[in-house]
Amino acid sequence: KAGVTQTPRYLIKTRGQQVTLSCSPISGHRSVSWYQQTPGQGLQFLFEYFSETQRNKGNFPGRFSGRQFSNSRSEMNVSTLELGDSALYLCASSFAGTGETQYFGPGTRLLVL
Amino acid sequence: DAKTTQPTSMDCAEGRAANLPCNHSTISGNEYVYWYRQIHSQGPQYIIHGLKNNETNEMASLIITEDRKSSTLILPHATLRDTAVYYCIVRVGSVSGTYKYIFGTGTRLKVLA
Repeated sequence: KAGVTQTPRYLIKTRGQQVTLSCSPISGHRSVSWYQQTPGQGLQFLFEYFSETQRNKGNFPGRFSGRQFSNSRSEMNVSTLELGDSALYLCASSFAGTGETQYFGPGTRLLVL
Repeated sequence: DAKTTQPTSMDCAEGRAANLPCNHSTISGNEYVYWYRQIHSQGPQYIIHGLKNNETNEMASLIITEDRKSSTLILPHATLRDTAVYYCIVRVGSVSGTYKYIFGTGTRLKVLA
């Protein structure tokens, strides 16, 4: 089975721009969670989607949003980028939800200049 | 939310057992302990998880104390490829029935030749 895939793998943006990251879960998995990893804050939970609905949300500002499509693929959007948004963004999928084991993708490394 | 405490770094000789401790003294009765590892800023890789009983799989063993306030991940015969950051995670539930992973700061394990 193919693993979780994320595109793009690397991205450079400037302050004020917006960005959309994509995640394709493992086939058959219906839950997708997003995390932000920075050297200072470590791995932090952003949100989780299940059956196209956001079920859980971390403590991030409204500039961070996401959605999930009927095929379980998910996108994450960050608007009005700030320098502090530079991070590795990780997506993880599980069969039914974060109550089950999550499998992570390779991540998208975002650099905001 | 339950928090985990891990040593910042550890060294282990190749071929020896690596014992990675984790403290989760505020864990609740129904919260699972998960272990992941991350190599070179790739996506975290699932290792093992448990609730009360000790667990073993092809990668590692997980020993959870009877009071569940701490656990130890054991890599029985460490190799150079086991050099990574190891995260002890508590899966926290909510009243809505959803879950999220609370990552700690991790232990940087270096396996020495």
